[in-house]
Amino acid sequence: DAGVIQSPRHEVTEMGQEVTLRCKPISGHDYLFWYRQTMMRGLELLIYFNNNVPIDDSGMPEDRFSAKMPNASFSTLKIQPSEPRDSAVYFCASKDIANEKLFFGSGTQLSVL
Amino acid sequence: GEDVEQSLFLSVREGDSSVINCTYTDSSSTYLYWYKQEPGAGLQLLTYIFSNMDMKQDQRLTVLLNKKDKHLSLRIADTQTGDSAIYFCAERRSGGYQKVTFGTGTKLQVIP
Repeated sequence: DAGVIQSPRHEVTEMGQEVTLRCKPISGHDYLFWYRQTMMRGLELLIYFNNNVPIDDSGMPEDRFSAKMPNASFSTLKIQPSEPRDSAVYFCASKDIANEKLFFGSGTQLSVL
Repeated sequence: GEDVEQSLFLSVREGDSSVINCTYTDSSSTYLYWYKQEPGAGLQLLTYIFSNMDMKQDQRLTVLLNKKDKHLSLRIADTQTGDSAIYFCAERRSGGYQKVTFGTGTKLQVIP
């Protein structure tokens, strides 16, 4: 398996624009997580899904953020409108119920100007 | 609630042992993990320990858990330059809840 695949690797956008981050989890994994990493706040869990259903979205900063998982092989994290304080590295991770290991993607470096 | 604390930076000489420390607050923490992050990459699981264990060894890595003090440590024997990275301590409660809470990360610098 190619691992967790995220796109794009880098995104530079202007304040107010819509941003969509994409993730393909490892095939067969039941859980998908979106994390955000910043220097100030470290690694924060935004939301996680189990079998495509959102289980905990308490980490989503505000209504400007939304996440979907239309099927077992694809998830999106959308920010609309984006703001400079959203600049961070966004990681997607997946795991299966039988394994404690979280498999992380390479992340999307988002810069909002 | 969950809170995981680590020191920010550690510098060691190549060949020495490194010890990275972590404290956590949630007494319900059942799984405790160490992840490694290299520049420009995602996190990779190094090892984890179940809360009913005191120690776990895996090649050059030794994890020690002091449940009374809620203290976790990672010892890397014979530290190599390739071990230079950020190390994250993390915890998860038992049961079906899958949220993993990460510490702030400790940047390990290995001096040749």
